[in-house]
Formats: sequence, structure tokens, C-alpha cells
Amino acid sequence: GAGVSQSPRYKVAKRGQDVALRCDPISGHVSLFWYQQALGQGPEFLTYFQNEAQLDKSGLPSDRFFAERPEGSVSTLKIQRTQQEDSAVYLCASSTRTGLHYGYTFGSGTRLTVV
Amino acid sequence: GQQVMQIPQYQHVQEGEDFTTYCNSSTTLSNIQWYKQRPGGHPVFLIQLVKSGEVKKQKRLTFQFGEAKKNSSLHITATQTTDVGTYFCLTDSWGKFQFGAGTQVVVTP
Repeated sequence: GAGVSQSPRYKVAKRGQDVALRCDPISGHVSLFWYQQALGQGPEFLTYFQNEAQLDKSGLPSDRFFAERPEGSVSTLKIQRTQQEDSAVYLCASSTRTGLHYGYTFGSGTRLTVV
Repeated sequence: GQQVMQIPQYQHVQEGEDFTTYCNSSTTLSNIQWYKQRPGGHPVFLIQLVKSGEVKKQKRLTFQFGEAKKNSSLHITATQTTDVGTYFCLTDSWGKFQFGAGTQVVVTP
């Protein structure tokens, strides 16, 4: 597609509920990143894929967070047993190059509110 | 671990004035990128700097990478209302990526 597509745009979850956030990167982009952005803060790195391989998941805040990209294109970020502190905008970004980055293209994000 | 600091956190600018925002890293970087995020929007890529001392210009925006590759600056001349937003640096320390907290820019007509 023309850009990075994320769905849903907004998600309200009850505390304890599981959620799944989808990212459809630009076609052919090898690298895919997930970031978490709290209000008024910079994006915080969560995880990085190169094709289907998850090369870095050091930013995932707990074992309740899980990401996958099984066929090297669409990615899903899953959060189990959501907590209020998980409320944030989850941004997905993709890039054409492996290793060195020549600029990410970000999606519009999913705003998750846990009540 | 690596620390990235952006200053100032907030910048109020009169339309037509110049301003500079700075990004400082505690570790040497392989490259640095700058992004702009409009209110309610997502980060949009502006530029990448790779070489020590590199200077790049985009119209009224001038980006500089320090000689030691630990800091960078973004200078905007003749600020316009379209410059409103938050400017983030994204540091790359050989595969470890970290965004700064951003400089939020407010422009007064």
C-alpha cells in the first residue's frame, strides 16, 4: 500500500482483557518496528523485525506483550491481561533497509485506552 | 545505558524568529534522524545524518551532526505557523534506537 496502515485506530479495553493491534507495512519494507508513545513523551522502542525474524524485543515491557510477523509482512502486537499503564498510542513503522535506517514511515497509530 | 536528552523541552517562538533545538547523547552514535510530529499526528521523517560534522539543509531547516557524533541540532529560520509540532531526534547507536523526549514548538502569530 501507499503507507503504513494500523488498525484499529482506537481501542478501549477493560482491564484484564486481551487486545491485538495490527500493522500493515509498506509493501516490500524489510524492517518493521513497534513503538509505544505515552502522552507528551517520545516514542519508546518495543520490538524490531527484519522480515519474519524478531531481532530485538528488548523494549517489550513485560511478558504480557507479544509481537509476531509470521510471513514477513503484516505484524500483530498482542497485549494480554491489559493494565491501565498500557494505555498509550502504539505506533508501527517500517523501513526499506536492513541495519542502517533511511527513515521510518510511521502509521497513524492505535490509541489504546484501558479502563 | 544510553541517555538521550533534547533541549529545550518547550519552545515558544514569535512568527518570523529563529530557534534551535538540541539533541545530546551520552554515547557515540552511528547516525541520527530527526522527525516532526504534528499535534494528534504521527512522526514524519525529516532527515538522517551520518557523517561527523555533517550539515544538511531543507529550506528553512538546518540540521547539524556534531564532530564527536554525540550531539545534533536543528535550526529553523523565519519560523512559520506551519512549523508547530514536536521535533524528535532518533539516535542509532549501532542498532540500538532511542527517541529523545522531543521539543514542543508553539508559534505565536
